[in-house]
Amino acid sequence: DVKVTQSSRYLVKRTGEKVFLECVQDMDHENMFWYRQDPGLGLRLIYFSYDVKMKEKGDIPEGYSVSREKKERFSLILESASTNQTSMYLCASSFRTAGNTIYFGEGSWLTVV
Amino acid sequence: GESVGLHLPTLSVQEGDNSIINCAYSNSASDYFIWYKQESGKGPQFIIDIRSNMDKRQGQRVTVLLNKTVKHLSLQIAATQPGDSAVYFCAENSQDNFNKFYFGSGTKLNVKP
Repeated sequence: DVKVTQSSRYLVKRTGEKVFLECVQDMDHENMFWYRQDPGLGLRLIYFSYDVKMKEKGDIPEGYSVSREKKERFSLILESASTNQTSMYLCASSFRTAGNTIYFGEGSWLTVV
Repeated sequence: GESVGLHLPTLSVQEGDNSIINCAYSNSASDYFIWYKQESGKGPQFIIDIRSNMDKRQGQRVTVLLNKTVKHLSLQIAATQPGDSAVYFCAENSQDNFNKFYFGSGTKLNVKP
C-alpha cells in the first residue's frame, strides 16, 4: 500500500514562530504536494515539487516555503506563523506521468494562537 | 479556469439504500478522474478512478460513471453502510497539465441507521 506519512498530526504554535511540517512517502513518487484544506474552500495547492530540489508555486504560496532535499521527503515551512494559517495541511504524492493517482497523508492540524 | 464542483453539498440516505454523488467539471481536456472519501479528521482516501476512454468502472460496492458529453461524473455506492458516512469529492487531471489536480469542494454523505 502507498504510504504518505505526515510526522505531526496536531500542532499548536504561537504567532511569529517558525513551523516545519514534514512529509515522507514510500512509493518512489517523483511528485509531492502540499495543500491546505479549509471549510468551504476545499483543497488549495500551496507548493509542489516534481523532483529533488525542484519546486513550483501553487495557488497560495504566500507565507510558505518548501524544501525537498531527498526524493521521499517534502517539508513545508511557515517562516513566521500567523493566525490565518490555522488550517489542516495535507501532503500528497504521485508519479510524474499523466493518469496517476495522487495519494494523501492523514493531515496535520495546525493552530496558530 | 478549470473547476470541479458538486451539485449537492449534503446527501442523507438510509442504511442499505444506494447513494449517488455527482460532480461536474468544466475542462474538456480533463482525461483522468478520481473519487476520494474523507472521514472526519482524516486525510482523503482514494476510492476509485476512471480514465476518459471509459464510461464506467466498477469497484467493490462502488461504480463511477463518466459522461464526457455533459462533463459529468458520478459515484454510486451500493447498499450504503454507516461506515460510508464521510465527505466525498472528485478530482480531475489532464495530460496537458498532469502535475495539476483540480478538486471539488465535496459532498457530505450521512447514512441513517
